[in-house]
Amino acid sequence: GDSVTQTEGLVTLTKGLPVMLNCTYQTTYSPFLFWYVQHLNEAPKLLLKSSTDNKRTEHQGFYATLHKSSSSFHLQKSSVQLSDSALYFCALKEGGRALIFGTGTTVSVSP
Amino acid sequence: DPKIIQKPKYLVAVTGSEKILICEQYLGHNAMYWYRQSAKKPLEFMFSYSYQKLMDNQTASSRFQPQSSKKNHLDLQITALKPDDSATYFCASSQIDWAPSAETLYFGSGTRLTVL
Repeated sequence: GDSVTQTEGLVTLTKGLPVMLNCTYQTTYSPFLFWYVQHLNEAPKLLLKSSTDNKRTEHQGFYATLHKSSSSFHLQKSSVQLSDSALYFCALKEGGRALIFGTGTTVSVSP
Repeated sequence: DPKIIQKPKYLVAVTGSEKILICEQYLGHNAMYWYRQSAKKPLEFMFSYSYQKLMDNQTASSRFQPQSSKKNHLDLQITALKPDDSATYFCASSQIDWAPSAETLYFGSGTRLTVL
């Protein structure tokens, strides 16, 4: 069935370093991918969403590129900040169905 | 002002009891959803409704029953509560569009349910 895989459960890094969170998906439909971010004790909110194949989308310093050839939509940032500490979810929308979320990756940024 | 109102914010229940989680959205969206978040299964999709009709149901247990009295309301009734039902329940909404990529899911602040 359709699914989203996030391989890292926890990523710890120091402020100013780059980060990449992996997201791969499996679907029989044309894929639409999203990244949601959830800060502690808050609701998830949209960070960015995919565009056309091989086109990069950016928001708030984060960026991701949908690669249909490898079924991936990895999230990246060139220089993380303390405020980026949060839980990040990759999500897949296929057809008319609801968003399906991956298991999430916790990012912990230290000074 | 919050556009998706969930009540109550915190809820403690005893095993075997019944509770109703309230959700109202004021974003003018035509679709509403329930998601559950626990340590075991982060952000698990449960139900989706559009114009008060069930669109999708991924919850195996009939103990979970959504109720929609108005287009912008989607409550969740849970019967015969079990400790495993302890989780944060998020209500969400979106505007279903001809272009799925345009849809953004907006979440309420959640109801944290603890079953003793």
